[in-house]
Amino acid sequence: DAKTTQPTSMDCAEGRAANLPCNHSTISGNEYVYWYRQIHSQGPQYIIHGLKNNETNEMASLIITEDRKSSTLILPHATLRDTAVYYCIVRVSGNTGKLIFGQGTTLQVKP
Amino acid sequence: GAGVSQSPRYKVAKRGQDVALRCDPISGHVSLFWYQQALGQGPEFLTYFQNEAQLDKSGLPSDRFFAERPEGSVSTLKIQRTQQEDSAVYLCASSPPEERGGNNEQFFGPGTRLTVL
Repeated sequence: DAKTTQPTSMDCAEGRAANLPCNHSTISGNEYVYWYRQIHSQGPQYIIHGLKNNETNEMASLIITEDRKSSTLILPHATLRDTAVYYCIVRVSGNTGKLIFGQGTTLQVKP
Repeated sequence: GAGVSQSPRYKVAKRGQDVALRCDPISGHVSLFWYQQALGQGPEFLTYFQNEAQLDKSGLPSDRFFAERPEGSVSTLKIQRTQQEDSAVYLCASSPPEERGGNNEQFFGPGTRLTVL
């Protein structure tokens, strides 16, 4: 599975959009981009995933560049409850494989 | 509906003791994963089950770690002769049968925090 690079930490004002970048320059054609987040003292939670098209769900939007070497997770209206560590993970489809978490980005949403 | 549950939530063990950590996955989920999360780090994979078969145990750090899922539902992670470096949060995740389109979301439990003194 390809390696990802994320900033260590970011701040965002409550009510504003939070844009979390991820670099995955070695991604292969059959690898998906997944985002999970982990709120303090909880297990990780799935947010969204995509292959090459932009994706949106009730939690977030995922923008993948045309060359697929980077992506951005967008939380359109961040709340204090969105404060968490956000992990960008690249992996092949299928539920037989492990998730390889990096250090993630610690997002602090401030009032 | 009920999510993944883990017990105990907290466990304190003296060095050298054996511990057993339990995971109850979501009903119907065939895949089950164990991860270890040290303080300030991301989770690291330990082992994977598909039903009762342990298909990947490449992440188990030593032969003191043993996992089982005898009936394809509940799983137990056992650590023998615990050491201080075993102190971590142990996370369990389960996943339903694979869907087309790559959506193989893993549902995580709250974890068991193990402290070895």
